[in-house]
Amino acid sequence: SQELEQSPQSLIVQEGKNLTINCTSSKTLYGLYWYKQKYGEGLIFLMMLQKGGEEKSHEKITAKLDEKKQQSSLHITASQPSHAGIYLCGAPQKGGNKLVFGAGTILRVKS
Amino acid sequence: DAGVIQSPRHEVTEMGQEVTLRCKPISGHDYLFWYRQTMMRGLELLIYFNNNVPIDDSGMPEDRFSAKMPNASFSTLKIQPSEPRDSAVYFCASSATGTGIYYYGYTFGSGTRLTVV
Repeated sequence: SQELEQSPQSLIVQEGKNLTINCTSSKTLYGLYWYKQKYGEGLIFLMMLQKGGEEKSHEKITAKLDEKKQQSSLHITASQPSHAGIYLCGAPQKGGNKLVFGAGTILRVKS
Repeated sequence: DAGVIQSPRHEVTEMGQEVTLRCKPISGHDYLFWYRQTMMRGLELLIYFNNNVPIDDSGMPEDRFSAKMPNASFSTLKIQPSEPRDSAVYFCASSATGTGIYYYGYTFGSGTRLTVV
């Protein structure tokens, strides 16, 4: 079965600093989803990447998909306290609607 | 739209008791998913339905777990009897065939935090 490894597991950054979270798949990626979760709440959809080399941005968050490396990265520019939370990557299984998720990366932003 | 609605938000029960978690998906969504989240195992897919029919229940941990979807607007996840190791946050999510999953992913509910003592 497919496994997604996220790195780092957690990080603490000073407000205003940039950061990158990585998600590496053990198998071929047929797209990649990024979600954000705040403690005690559900997952909020951030963005979805479908094709190799695709890059999407929303406000200060940019995600890229490297199909050859079976990897995606999430980059936050000029972090703010509102960016704090758990970031999870999810990969759809081939031909289906199932999403397999990584363990998540806990982000704390110090102001 | 009110989003995916789950109830209750919190449930504390004694070992051996029956627990029923409820979910109302977004109207028009034809896929419904039940996930369980723990610190040790992360987010695990338990079962999912398409047009009210269970498609894949390979993630259901034991016979103590059962899920139903009697109609397009309601689903339940039942644990009987419950055990302390079932303590987790249970999420329901829904999506729509076609553009839904590719543009909006799943829409998750706020989850039910289950504690079995």
